[in-house]
Amino acid sequence: AQTVTQSQPEMSVQEAETVTLSCTYDTSESDYYLFWYKQPPSRQMILVIRQEAYKQQNATENRFSVNFQKAAKSFSLKISDSQLGDAAMYFCALAVFSGGGADGLTFGKGTHLIIQP
Amino acid sequence: GAGVSQSPSNKVTEKGKDVELRCDPISGHTALYWYRQSLGQGLEFLIYFQGNSAPDKSGLPSDRFSAERTGGSVSTLTIQRTQQEDSAVYLCASSLVGFRGAYGYTFGSGTRLTVV
Repeated sequence: AQTVTQSQPEMSVQEAETVTLSCTYDTSESDYYLFWYKQPPSRQMILVIRQEAYKQQNATENRFSVNFQKAAKSFSLKISDSQLGDAAMYFCALAVFSGGGADGLTFGKGTHLIIQP
Repeated sequence: GAGVSQSPSNKVTEKGKDVELRCDPISGHTALYWYRQSLGQGLEFLIYFQGNSAPDKSGLPSDRFSAERTGGSVSTLTIQRTQQEDSAVYLCASSLVGFRGAYGYTFGSGTRLTVV
């Protein structure tokens, strides 16, 4: 079984500053993907960034980057130059591969990110 | 379609009634997932369909919940004799399946179910 833990129910940051959201996970599988999803009030889950476990290099998408520490099973999200539009719930999620099946995502409980103007 | 479509967007029902929630996945996506998101909680896996294989129903919380996927495309999640604790947002996602498993999950906007 997989678990994903987000220990920060809520985070607040000033506009234009940098914020880091924490995520730890647990799985016995060696091959997996990690994701960060953003959920604005519209409810739709929007993929922010994805990391493949076998890749050492941390994924980066514009202002969003991750710090992937495989041994520590940690996967934090850094948002640089925070913008008002970044305000949302952020979910960390894990998908494992086992036998090539269409494995679903295991989610953390989310972090509510507030951007202070 | 261009994205995952869910209907209705919102549904209010009386306790004890049955409800049906619909999901229309991205064309060509063979895997389809249902999740439940209760207030202030993360997403709870309910069920997934992969091609013609038997669905994985391990996440369904009770026998009042069931789901079908017709013709490998549209899926319907049915909740019988609804209870107030069934109130939640029900999200559907679909994905492509490659040789290393599923990737590229795309979510719909969900159905907010309120049981009164």
